[in-house]
Amino acid sequence: DTGVSQDPRHKITKRGQNVTFRCDPISEHNRLYWYRQTLGQGPEFLTYFQNEAQLEKSRLLSDRFSAERPKGSFSTLEIQRTEQGDSAMYLCASSLDRGHDGYTFGSGTRLTVV
Amino acid sequence: SQQGEEDPQALSIQEGENATMNCSYKTSINNLQWYRQNSGRGLVHLILIRSNEREKHSGRLRVTLDTSKKSSSLLITASRAADTASYFCATVSSGAGSYQLTFGKGTKLSVIP
Repeated sequence: DTGVSQDPRHKITKRGQNVTFRCDPISEHNRLYWYRQTLGQGPEFLTYFQNEAQLEKSRLLSDRFSAERPKGSFSTLEIQRTEQGDSAMYLCASSLDRGHDGYTFGSGTRLTVV
Repeated sequence: SQQGEEDPQALSIQEGENATMNCSYKTSINNLQWYRQNSGRGLVHLILIRSNEREKHSGRLRVTLDTSKKSSSLLITASRAADTASYFCATVSSGAGSYQLTFGKGTKLSVIP
């Protein structure tokens, strides 16, 4: 297992287009998290899955955002009708149970909306 | 929202010196974690300290936790140029929503060779 993988590493899109990111967590981790990080800030929580169930969504996750984790394995985060304010680093993390031994983060997907 | 506040926001030291970063948080926690982030990359978990612990060591890292003051510190001893990165503290709440990490804004550490 090589850790948490995210694809793509970079994405440039035009405003109004839809984008989808993928995250492959560590295989034995049952919890998966999405965070967003803007320049000079710490990561902010977006949503969380336990296995295939999406158990919590942040207020930051507007109706244009949707996340899935089919079969409790990989996860996708889709942003519809992108806006310039969506430009950020999108980070995925996974953990075993409540993450009380730490979370493992992927390298992130950097989204630029032009 | 961001729970923690790191201090200082930026720190520049010479190689070989020690670096100390502080973190304050607002709510009761189950544990507090420190992460490192190299420029434009993902976060790397460094160390976790539980609410019933006061000090923890890992290699050149020393973390303290004072739950009465809701604060923590990270000490990196004998710093190296490779330690140059941003360092974030993150908390796991002891209450509802204890599944998520809540991060501070980070301390940007520069170690000059």
